[in-house]
Amino acid sequence: GAVVSQHPSRVICKSGTSVKIECRSLDFQATTMFWYRQFPKQSLMLMATSNEGSKATYEQGVEKDKFLINHASLTLSTLTVTSAHPEDSSFYICSATEYGTGGGYTFGSGTRLTVV
Amino acid sequence: DAKTTQPTSMDCAEGRAANLPCNHSTISGNEYVYWYRQIHSQGPQYIIHGLKNNETNEMASLIITEDRKSSTLILPHATLRDTAVYYCIVSWGGTSYGKLTFGQGTILTVHP
Repeated sequence: GAVVSQHPSRVICKSGTSVKIECRSLDFQATTMFWYRQFPKQSLMLMATSNEGSKATYEQGVEKDKFLINHASLTLSTLTVTSAHPEDSSFYICSATEYGTGGGYTFGSGTRLTVV
Repeated sequence: DAKTTQPTSMDCAEGRAANLPCNHSTISGNEYVYWYRQIHSQGPQYIIHGLKNNETNEMASLIITEDRKSSTLILPHATLRDTAVYYCIVSWGGTSYGKLTFGQGTILTVHP
């Protein structure tokens, strides 16, 4: 089946630094990728939708300048949390879908970000 | 996207069938019903999806009512490893996809 690889699984960074999270579709071409954030004991919140070769579409309330998304190829999307602060500490999850397969969405294993 | 309503939590005995209900009374004609589950600190796992007809795969069965306003996910023989949060999501699908908006889901606890 379709596999989405997400790295790193855990990252700790200092406040004010930037962190990049990668999301790769290993055995299919992902025309669309989604980025979610999940706080403890809460549901997943969609942050943005990225389509290969075009700018990401951000959900209301998500700062596009803080959460930079790049989807430069059909197998890779990256999320960069810029100038991270402790309130950005969260579980970040990507998902990908392959156009036309009718098979639904595949999720990565998530990245636990802790900003200290 | 249509909103879904699920019970907050459910219990099930190991080996018995787990029946998880979902209401989606505002579903539109081109929207699919998707079920995912999330085990603690992992990414969601796809279970099954359907449009009108009942569906079955190696993990579960999906029963959709004729008016499509509700559905039930059935895990035929629940195991302890099925303990997770189960999300019912409605989104347009087919050959192109809408975004998945997660609600609070149902916390299913399978006990010995």
